[in-house]
Amino acid sequence: NAGVTQTPKFQVLKTGQSMTLQCAQDMNHNSMYWYRQDPGMGLRLIYYSASEGTTDKGEVPNGYNVSRLNKREFSLRLESAAPSQTSVYFCASKPGTSSYNEQFFGPGTRLTVL
Amino acid sequence: QKEVEQNSGPLSVPEGAIASLNCTYSDRGSQSFFWYRQYSGKSPELIMSIYSNGDKEDGRFTAQLNKASQYVSLLIRDSQPSDSATYLCAVNDGSNYQLIWGAGTKLIIKP
Repeated sequence: NAGVTQTPKFQVLKTGQSMTLQCAQDMNHNSMYWYRQDPGMGLRLIYYSASEGTTDKGEVPNGYNVSRLNKREFSLRLESAAPSQTSVYFCASKPGTSSYNEQFFGPGTRLTVL
Repeated sequence: QKEVEQNSGPLSVPEGAIASLNCTYSDRGSQSFFWYRQYSGKSPELIMSIYSNGDKEDGRFTAQLNKASQYVSLLIRDSQPSDSATYLCAVNDGSNYQLIWGAGTKLIIKP
């Protein structure tokens, strides 16, 4: 099992460009998450999908959109990138619907917006 | 605003000593508590989870939970240089889906 995979690993964008970050998991997990991590700060939730067909906003959703394409895949789209979106983006997944289940993380995407 | 607080460090500990990492949280409705380790440039990985008051041991790691004081800690015995990393405390927000994350404590184990 590959676990949680993310593409691309690195990306440089110019202000105003758009892009989609891809995430897939092969663990048959129900819930999936997108976080961003900035230096000196904890993980901040952008969007999550509790189950296939549902998505909900997290703490910092502005400037982002998501699509839960199927149970395996959850993508994050930046429509018009801004320098404030320079960050490391992590996708995570979680089995079941219990608060006791841990989240498993992908390797991350390092995004720079110039 | 639900919060999780951690000392950012760095916390410097000699090799072989006990490293003690602390975390406080604001939401009394939280039921599950997690410690993740994150090496520089890598993604977080789960070290310990704890749900009941008291201690939970797993090898060199012990998690301690005190819900009355809203306090979670992680002890690392016989610290090794490979334990040098940032440790993130995460607490569920009272729902089944979301975690509230601390900013992390950077731990340095000195040989």
